[in-house]
Amino acid sequence: DAGVTQSPTHLIKTRGQQVTLRCSPKSGHDTVSWYQQALGQGPQFIFQYYEEEERQRGNFPDRFSGHQFPNYSSELNVNALLLGDSALYLCASSLGPIGGELFFGEGSRLTVL
Amino acid sequence: GNSVTQMEGPVTLSEEAFLTINCTYTATGYPSLFWYVQYPGEGLQLLLKATKADDKGSNKGFEATYRKETTSFHLEKGSVQVSDSAVYFCALIAGSYQLTFGKGTKLSVIP
Repeated sequence: DAGVTQSPTHLIKTRGQQVTLRCSPKSGHDTVSWYQQALGQGPQFIFQYYEEEERQRGNFPDRFSGHQFPNYSSELNVNALLLGDSALYLCASSLGPIGGELFFGEGSRLTVL
Repeated sequence: GNSVTQMEGPVTLSEEAFLTINCTYTATGYPSLFWYVQYPGEGLQLLLKATKADDKGSNKGFEATYRKETTSFHLEKGSVQVSDSAVYFCALIAGSYQLTFGKGTKLSVIP
């Protein structure tokens, strides 16, 4: 039983570029949440997707957008990259948007130069 | 808003020492509390949780008790092992879909 898988694992971009990160949830899970973890910090909630809709959003600008597909997989898009967007981006899946245990992937490490 | 404060690290202990990592919180509403662990090169894993006051979460020898009166959820283990070396995160969820994490405490256990 595959857990949460994320791709790519590492990537390097330059300021102003755009990036797309991908996440496949754990088998049987229908909800995907995205978190940003800066170096030495705890993860910060970006947004959550359930039933292909954004259910809640954290304190992140509109440059951060997402999508959930009918098979429950998800993408995180970041436009107009800034140096401060360099971080580990974590995807977490759960069964249902509330109360279910979150299972995290290993993350995508984004470096913006 | 919701916030979690946990003790600064890094923490270095000898094998078989007693571990305490302090965690306090502020929350709107009645939160559920969690400890997550991040081993080197791996994703976050749920270590234990508690959903109401005086509940004790436990797993792998780790324990934490939900103390509403002191708004705390301290993590303890009686005898740490080298394999416990990791970063530990205290977190809460209250009235929303999102987990709020502390900054994490890095634990190193030396033989």
